[in-house]
Amino acid sequence: KAGVTQTPRYLIKTRGQQVTLSCSPISGHRSVSWYQQTPGQGLQFLFEYFSETQRNKGNFPGRFSGRQFSNSRSEMNVSTLELGDSALYLCASSFPPPTLPGLSYNEQFFGPGTRLTVL
Amino acid sequence: QKEVEQDPGPLSVPEGAIVSLNCTYSNSAFQYFMWYRQYSRKGPELLMYTYSSGNKEDGRFTAQVDKSSKYISLFIRDSQPSDSATYLCAMISAGGSNYKLTFGKGTLLTVNP
Repeated sequence: KAGVTQTPRYLIKTRGQQVTLSCSPISGHRSVSWYQQTPGQGLQFLFEYFSETQRNKGNFPGRFSGRQFSNSRSEMNVSTLELGDSALYLCASSFPPPTLPGLSYNEQFFGPGTRLTVL
Repeated sequence: QKEVEQDPGPLSVPEGAIVSLNCTYSNSAFQYFMWYRQYSRKGPELLMYTYSSGNKEDGRFTAQVDKSSKYISLFIRDSQPSDSATYLCAMISAGGSNYKLTFGKGTLLTVNP
């Protein structure tokens, strides 16, 4: 079974530009989460989508947005890029996680990430 | 104070050593505790997860959770050069609509042959 795929793998942009990153989840997975990873802040949650609806959002400015399509593929967009947006952007897919305690954790499978460099 | 604090390392050990990786947390709502391993230029992969306090063993890896102290650990026995990676602890609360994983910053481990 193919894993989570992310495109592109590497991207270089300049300040002020916008960027769109793509994530294709594992077949059958309906939940997609996005994370930003930097040396200074580590892995931080951006947002999570399920059935084309954003269910959770992290503490990032409105320049960061996302969407999910009917085939569960997801995109995230960053507008008006800043130098501090340089990071590894990871997406993870899973079945919906449990809503009641005591059930098995539904593993999130991560893609290899998109390395974004803002100059 | 960050919700999850992880010993930053880096950690360098000889092959065969026992490795101890640790995280503390402040949010009592966290109920699931995970350890992820991330090799260079790869996404994190789940090593172990646990729900209750106590120990959980899987081969050379043992995850330990102490909810009363808000402290989790990962022990690696007989460490191998292939264990060289960044180890991330992660936590999630259950119930309601909160599905986000909260990660520690990660500890870079190098196992020297």
